[in-house]
Amino acid sequence: KQEVTQIPAALSVPEGENLVLNCSFTDSAIYNLQWFRQDPGKGLTSLLLIQSSQREQTSGRLNASLDKSSGRSTLYIAASQPGDSATYLCAVTGGGNKLTFGTGTQLKVEL
Amino acid sequence: EAGVVQSPRYKIIEKKQPVAFWCNPISGHNTLYWYLQNLGQGPELLIRYENEEAVDDSQLPKDRFSAERLKGVDSTLKIQPAELGDSAVYLCASSARAGASDTQYFGPGTRLTVL
Repeated sequence: KQEVTQIPAALSVPEGENLVLNCSFTDSAIYNLQWFRQDPGKGLTSLLLIQSSQREQTSGRLNASLDKSSGRSTLYIAASQPGDSATYLCAVTGGGNKLTFGTGTQLKVEL
Repeated sequence: EAGVVQSPRYKIIEKKQPVAFWCNPISGHNTLYWYLQNLGQGPELLIRYENEEAVDDSQLPKDRFSAERLKGVDSTLKIQPAELGDSAVYLCASSARAGASDTQYFGPGTRLTVL
């Protein structure tokens, strides 16, 4: 059974700091890995999707990497802003387009 | 383009009462998912529909939970009777198809509180 772990569970940083969120998964037989953002009271928004054959994806200030063989992914956020405050969830895709999510990292960016 | 719509957004009921959640997926999306998200946890898949057929309901507690997707569009998830442990957020998502590269779009969820 696939298990996804995210570290840290919570993170508080001052505005402008660069930060890294970590995700690990136990079964490397995945189709892709996604990073989602979840704001309080709202659904999930997909930020980045990395195919299993790729090593990284970039979107604006976000960069996600994938090391499938070691079961690890990182989400790098550059020059953090208060608007980045949210919960970030990592999810891997298995057969049948089934997403297995981690428990999330709750990020707070302070002024 | 409208996203995934869910209602109600919030529901408070007493234990042993029935409750139902409704989901309207993005137009044209054949695949619909219901997820359960407990506080401080990631979402967990309850059931997946391809058109009107439930193709993966292995995680659905069938003694009290049921779901339907009549005509392969809207879907309803029901709990009867509700228990205290059912308090959670119920998320609906849809995708064009069920391929691994088909992005799932999530609704805002229904937050259920069972007293």
